[in-house]
Amino acid sequence: EAGVAQSPRYKIIEKRQSVAFWCNPISGHATLYWYQQILGQGPKLLIQFQNNGVVDDSQLPKDRFSAERLKGVDSTLKIQPAKLEDSAVYLCASSQPFQRNTEAFFGQGTRLTVV
Amino acid sequence: DAKTTQPNSMESNEEEPVHLPCNHSTISGTDYIHWYRQLPSQGPEYVIHGLTSNVNNRMASLAIAEDRKSSTLILHRATLRDAAVYYCILRETDTGFQKLVFGTGTRLLVSP
Repeated sequence: EAGVAQSPRYKIIEKRQSVAFWCNPISGHATLYWYQQILGQGPKLLIQFQNNGVVDDSQLPKDRFSAERLKGVDSTLKIQPAKLEDSAVYLCASSQPFQRNTEAFFGQGTRLTVV
Repeated sequence: DAKTTQPNSMESNEEEPVHLPCNHSTISGTDYIHWYRQLPSQGPEYVIHGLTSNVNNRMASLAIAEDRKSSTLILHRATLRDAAVYYCILRETDTGFQKLVFGTGTRLLVSP
């Protein structure tokens, strides 16, 4: 089966600019996660969707980050305006819902560099 | 969130078994124990999971303590491709939705 697709793979922007990342989860997966991974750290959950509804965005910096999942399939994560500390890899993952014994599948991530 | 504790790093020689420990003393009765690994420049990938009994799959084995307060991921014969960061995660449910919260993991170094 096709995996989780993310684009772009790399992005370099100047601080205060805007950027958007796209994720296409595995077909049929209702749960979608966005993570931020700063170099040397474990992935940090930013937002979790169940279909097109948000179930957890407690760690999303809402003054500059936004995410949506229209029609419960693809998702976009936006940063506006970007800061230097937003430099990280942004990972998207998907899984079946409501079951704690199922695995999550991750994309390869988008590496963002803010200069 | 339930927490896990892992050593920052471990070293192994190629072809030898590796035992990666994880402590999760605050685990609840319904939390599954999941292991993921992250190869360099890749997203995390699922390795194995279990609830109470030991589990085996093609990648690894998972040994779970009787009181479930700790577990050990076992790689039977380490290869250079197994060099990665290994994360032990408690798959828990909060308000009906499962969460997947990563810690800092164990960096496994494999020498030829």
